[in-house]
Amino acid sequence: LAKTTQPISMDSYEGQEVNITCSHNNIATNDYITWYQQFPSQGPRFIIQGYKTKVTNEVASLFIPADRKSSTLSLPRVSLSDTAVYYCLVGAQRNSGNTPLVFGKGTRLSVIA
Amino acid sequence: ETGVTQSPTHLIKTRGQQVTLRCSSQSGHNTVSWYQQALGQGPQFIFQYYREEENGRGNFPPRFSGLQFPNYSSELNVNALELDDSALYLCASSLGQGAEAFFGQGTRLTVV
Repeated sequence: LAKTTQPISMDSYEGQEVNITCSHNNIATNDYITWYQQFPSQGPRFIIQGYKTKVTNEVASLFIPADRKSSTLSLPRVSLSDTAVYYCLVGAQRNSGNTPLVFGKGTRLSVIA
Repeated sequence: ETGVTQSPTHLIKTRGQQVTLRCSSQSGHNTVSWYQQALGQGPQFIFQYYREEENGRGNFPPRFSGLQFPNYSSELNVNALELDDSALYLCASSLGQGAEAFFGQGTRLTVV
């Protein structure tokens, strides 16, 4: 399974856009890139998934360059409630296969008022 | 709210003891996966149950065992507890083996 590398932590002020980059140099052709969010004392929650180029939903945007060796999660205008750990995962497409989720250490985002 | 309920929320056990953690999956979900999350780490896959059968296992010793019931609820049992077993134990349910998994809030186990 492709290994991912993310910054350990990031700080941001409320209202700013936050970009978290994940490196996955050994991504396989069939792998998708998925981001999860985890609040303290809660389980992880799916945010967004993509294969290439750009994906946008109501929560975030995901930018994937042509070589797919990295990806960037973009959170627009963060608020205090976005303070959480964000995990980048590489593997099977959501809703396919039975490969378990493989989490790294994630990026701890702290949003400051 | 994901509809996945875990009990108890917190638990303190002594080294060498046995523990049973419980998970009630989201209605209709037939697959349950268990994860261990140590402090400061991401969740690590323990095993998955699909229609009452174990269907995949991570790198955990045999003293970690599980069970899934006909109503698809599940138990995680850990024997001969060690200090390093202290962690947040997460249960995730899904409709089918590869479907999106929804996590519960976890059980915080402390072994002293």
